Amino acid sequence: EAGVAQSPRYKIIEKRQSVAFWCNPISGHATLYWYQQILGQGPKLLIQFQNNGVVDDSQLPKDRFSAERLKGVDSTLKIQPAKLEDSAVYLCASSSTGGDKTQYFGPGTRLLVL
Amino acid sequence: SQKIEQNSEALNIQEGKTATLTCNYTNYSPAYLQWYRQDPGRGPVFLLLIRENEKEKRKERLKVTFDTTLKQSLFHITASQPADSATYLCARANNAGNMLTFGGGTRLMVKP
Repeated sequence: EAGVAQSPRYKIIEKRQSVAFWCNPISGHATLYWYQQILGQGPKLLIQFQNNGVVDDSQLPKDRFSAERLKGVDSTLKIQPAKLEDSAVYLCASSSTGGDKTQYFGPGTRLLVL
Repeated sequence: SQKIEQNSEALNIQEGKTATLTCNYTNYSPAYLQWYRQDPGRGPVFLLLIRENEKEKRKERLKVTFDTTLKQSLFHITASQPADSATYLCARANNAGNMLTFGGGTRLMVKP
C-alpha cells in the first residue's frame, strides 16, 4: 500500500513570496490533515478535510494560508505572503472514516523562509 | 483549553533498560490517547492507541498506560535498543474523537 505522498520535500523562499505544497493521501482515505511542525515542537493541526469539505480550520492563519481539496483526493496548502515565522515542516496526514483512528503521515515539506 | 504536555528534556538510557516517557493532559480525559514515533526528517508513525476505559495496552516491547485520576499516560519500552532512539509524541483526541492535539514530544536516546 502506497503511503502519503508530499512534494516538494524542501523549499527555500524569501519573505513575502508565495509557496504551495501538495499532498496525495492514501487511496480511499476520506480524511486529510495539514499540520505545521516548528523545530522542537509537536505537530499543530492547521486544517482537516472530510472528503472535499472542511471539518476544522480554526488554527489556520487565514489571512495568509489557504488550502483546498477540490475532488476529495489530493490537497494543496498555500502560503501567500510568507513570513519568517512560517519556517517549519508542513506535514500531511490521512485517515479512514472507520473505527481505526490512526493517522498516516507523509514525509513532510521542510520550508525555510529567508 | 485542552493541553497535553511531555517532558521536553531528552531521555538518555542504556541499552537493555526500560525507557519510560510521560504524557500529562489537562481538563477532561480524552476518549483516547495515541503515541507516535518520529525519526529525524520523517513524519510521525503510529504506535499505540489507548482508550479512556483501558488501563493498559501492550504491543511487543511497548506498553502504554492511561491513568484518568492522575491525568497521565506512561509509555514504556522494555529491553530498549539503540534503534529505539527517536522522538516520541503523545496525542489526545478531541470530544468527537476525530481530531488530535499533539504534545511537544520527548527525545529518547538509547546508548549501546
